[in-house]
Amino acid sequence: DAMVIQNPRYQVTQFGKPVTLSCSQTLNHNVMYWYQQKSSQAPKLLFHYYDKDFNNEADTPDNFQSRRPNTSFCFLDIRSPGLGDAAMYLCATSRDGQPQHFGDGTRLSIL
Amino acid sequence: AQSVTQLDSQVPVFEEAPVELRCNYSSSVSVYLFWYVQYPNQGLQLLLKYLSGSTLVKGINGFEAEFNKSQTSFHLRKPSVLISDTAEYFCAVSEVRGTALIFGKGTTLSVSS
Repeated sequence: DAMVIQNPRYQVTQFGKPVTLSCSQTLNHNVMYWYQQKSSQAPKLLFHYYDKDFNNEADTPDNFQSRRPNTSFCFLDIRSPGLGDAAMYLCATSRDGQPQHFGDGTRLSIL
Repeated sequence: AQSVTQLDSQVPVFEEAPVELRCNYSSSVSVYLFWYVQYPNQGLQLLLKYLSGSTLVKGINGFEAEFNKSQTSFHLRKPSVLISDTAEYFCAVSEVRGTALIFGKGTTLSVSS
């Protein structure tokens, strides 16, 4: 019954080694979001797709990229992860004006 | 620009006691308001939402919230908490017909026996 699915739940990568996190949805929502949540902090929006239109937050580092090949899937690429990128990454979806539905997140660790 | 202030970072309570988690927001436009709950190592789950209509909103798990436009508040309440309510609670706001959610910093609710 999971509607927003994030894989993997836990990801370990090496400093500087590219990593990709994935998100899929069965809700057919037109908007998909990526948030970064560091320990004991609120989620911080990195970017979102409104249909195929990509919207980057002004303070999202260039190190973070995203792809949305179709309605159901969205990927977060971190080109050269640094120690400060260790966090929980949350994917969410919504339909116009409706509440966002969140996945369970991917916890990223950097060695 | 919108902002959300959750006035208490931690709220410890005893089981079966009432609880109120406070949230104030600021915005120059009409907004939607939300409360989300996050259990350890999980994503955010929607507790309740105010979009329009009645200012008293009932959500899941026995929680309710009241939208007060004059005080720009959206406080979350539960008359009798359970141990299982221990979690992080986030208040959030979005513009009407907007897409971005602005979150408060969260309130840790700790329920003990």
